[in-house]
Amino acid sequence: QVQLVESGGGLVKPGGSLRLSCAASGFIFNDHYMTWIRQAPGKGLEWVSYISTSGSTIYYADSVKGRFTISKDKAKNLLFLQLNSLRVDDTAVYYCARVSEAGLFFDFWGQGTLVTVSS
Amino acid sequence: EIVMTQSPATLSMSPGERATLSCRASQSVRTNLAWYQQKPGQAPRLLIYGASTRATGIPARFSGSGSGTEFTLTISSLQSEDFAVYYCHHHDNWPPQITFGGGTKVEI
Repeated sequence: QVQLVESGGGLVKPGGSLRLSCAASGFIFNDHYMTWIRQAPGKGLEWVSYISTSGSTIYYADSVKGRFTISKDKAKNLLFLQLNSLRVDDTAVYYCARVSEAGLFFDFWGQGTLVTVSS
Repeated sequence: EIVMTQSPATLSMSPGERATLSCRASQSVRTNLAWYQQKPGQAPRLLIYGASTRATGIPARFSGSGSGTEFTLTISSLQSEDFAVYYCHHHDNWPPQITFGGGTKVEI
């Protein structure tokens, strides 16, 4: 079955960095766009970034552009999100999600990893 | 940017009742609309895509309708496990600048 398992979250000071990982299994990783979506405590969902099957096409939300970098290791079925210049308002649960082959919606989600930015 | 607005913010219901959740787009999104369910402490789960197609394994009591700017998620007879937050999402815009609706909480 499809599994997405995020890791790498934690407590970091403003201006710091973290690298999130998402281990994918149960499907052909290289056949799907992948995405990161975040949710601040008690708030709604906010899309963060997309990466294409080849990794050559990448998009970011304006709120993270220039600070976050999405990447993937196709051989190891891993998705990454490098978070730099972190701000307090980046505090959120970060979910990786699979983009469906039927359209740009998200058909499987990981359980999320919490990033807390605080001094 | 297309803005998705959900109403009401909170829906107080009883088990067995019919729940109707609304989602409005600031401009036409045709039928490129998905719905997700999120229970406390869990990741969202895809319920509906293409405005009306149920995702794999989703019970038939969940149905979606609408096109253009007005969409509805209906839960025909609420079960205890359906009390959750529901989000709509416009999909298939390119390049993707994805926005979700603010959510509707269905509570007892």
